[in-house]
Amino acid sequence: GENVEQHPSTLSVQEGDSAVIKCTYSDSASNYFPWYKQELGKRPQLIIDIRSNVGEKKDQRIAVTLNKTAKHFSLHITETQPEDSAVYFCAGGGADGLTFGKGTHLIIQP
Amino acid sequence: DAGITQSPRYKITETGRQVTLMCHQTWSHSYMFWYRQDLGHGLRLIYYSAAADITDKGEVPDGYVVSRSKTENFPLTLESATRSQTSVYFCASSTGTASSYEQYFGPGTRLTVT
Repeated sequence: GENVEQHPSTLSVQEGDSAVIKCTYSDSASNYFPWYKQELGKRPQLIIDIRSNVGEKKDQRIAVTLNKTAKHFSLHITETQPEDSAVYFCAGGGADGLTFGKGTHLIIQP
Repeated sequence: DAGITQSPRYKITETGRQVTLMCHQTWSHSYMFWYRQDLGHGLRLIYYSAAADITDKGEVPDGYVVSRSKTENFPLTLESATRSQTSVYFCASSTGTASSYEQYFGPGTRLTVT
């Protein structure tokens, strides 16, 4: 089955700086790669996703890149703000379900 | 988000008891999923369903049973609860079409097995 690894487990950045979270996956059949943000005690919320036929996708301060050959994808958050503090999960899979990474706790320092 | 609900939101049960977690969605999504979330493990897929009367195992199905007699409901049953099943359980749904695999999560059920 699919295996998704996520790094780092904790990331602390200064407010206004950029944050990058990286994930690798193992199953070449995976064709859908979403990123979720989860605040304490809340449900995961989709922030951006990318399909395997696309290399990059951007939505305001958030971007995701995908390298199918190397089987890795990354989340980029620019101009970080206090409300970006949360746990972020990458995932890989398709219609039949997702395999999640173990999460990155993003801390925005004032 | 109001279209997918879970009940109960919190449950405490004893080892060996049967407990059923409910999930209901109002979007008529074909696909429904059950995940468990444990500290240090992220979310792990327990079971999924592609349509009514079609279910399949995920990564961690042992100790769980699911059914889907109606499109909108996808209950998860722990037949004989164990302490290792203490977790937060999330239900999710998706259209599952080629144009969108986006999963919408319910609010979660926090289950404690004593």
